[in-house]
Amino acid sequence: GENVEQHPSTLSVQEGDSAVIKCTYSDSASNYFPWYKQELGKRPQLIIDIRSNVGEKKDQRIAVTLNKTAKHFSLHITETQPEDSAVYFCAASKEDTGRRALTFGSGTRLQVQP
Amino acid sequence: SQTIHQWPATLVQPVGSPLSLECTVEGTSNPNLYWYRQAAGRGLQLLFYSVGIGQISSEVPQNLSASRPQDRQFILSSKKLLLSDSGFYLCAWSISYNSPLHFGNGTRLTVT
Repeated sequence: GENVEQHPSTLSVQEGDSAVIKCTYSDSASNYFPWYKQELGKRPQLIIDIRSNVGEKKDQRIAVTLNKTAKHFSLHITETQPEDSAVYFCAASKEDTGRRALTFGSGTRLQVQP
Repeated sequence: SQTIHQWPATLVQPVGSPLSLECTVEGTSNPNLYWYRQAAGRGLQLLFYSVGIGQISSEVPQNLSASRPQDRQFILSSKKLLLSDSGFYLCAWSISYNSPLHFGNGTRLTVT
């Protein structure tokens, strides 16, 4: 089945710097890649997603890039702010009649130092 | 608009006691429904998912079970809780497995 690896597990940046989180996936048939942000004690919330027919997607300070050949995708946060501090999860899925669920990465704890 | 309700928010139960967590979705029909568990400081572990009434797929064999008695209702149960069942339980729904997943607010379960 699909395997998603996420790096780094923890990331500390200074306010205003950029942060990059990377994920690799194993199944070349995967075609949907969402990113979730989870603040302490709260539910994960979708922040951005990308499908395999697109190489890059941007939403204000957040962008996601996808390299299908290398089977990896990355989350880029520019001009980080203290409220960006949270755990970020990547995920992948594909159209399949078998396992009908997202496969999540292990998470990255981002700490933005003011 | 679609909403997901999950209750209770917190629960403290003794070892060996039963468990029932309920989740309902409003504003959509025939959603995919999911139960996830998150241990403290850890990732999201998929427990069960359902693509239709009465259809349950189990990801991790354990002393938990799930049921979907109605289209938009998903229930997580246990007959006898273990200490290792403690965690943050999240219900979620999506239109399909290839679309955004929407989580409920979660239930923090502590087994003592």
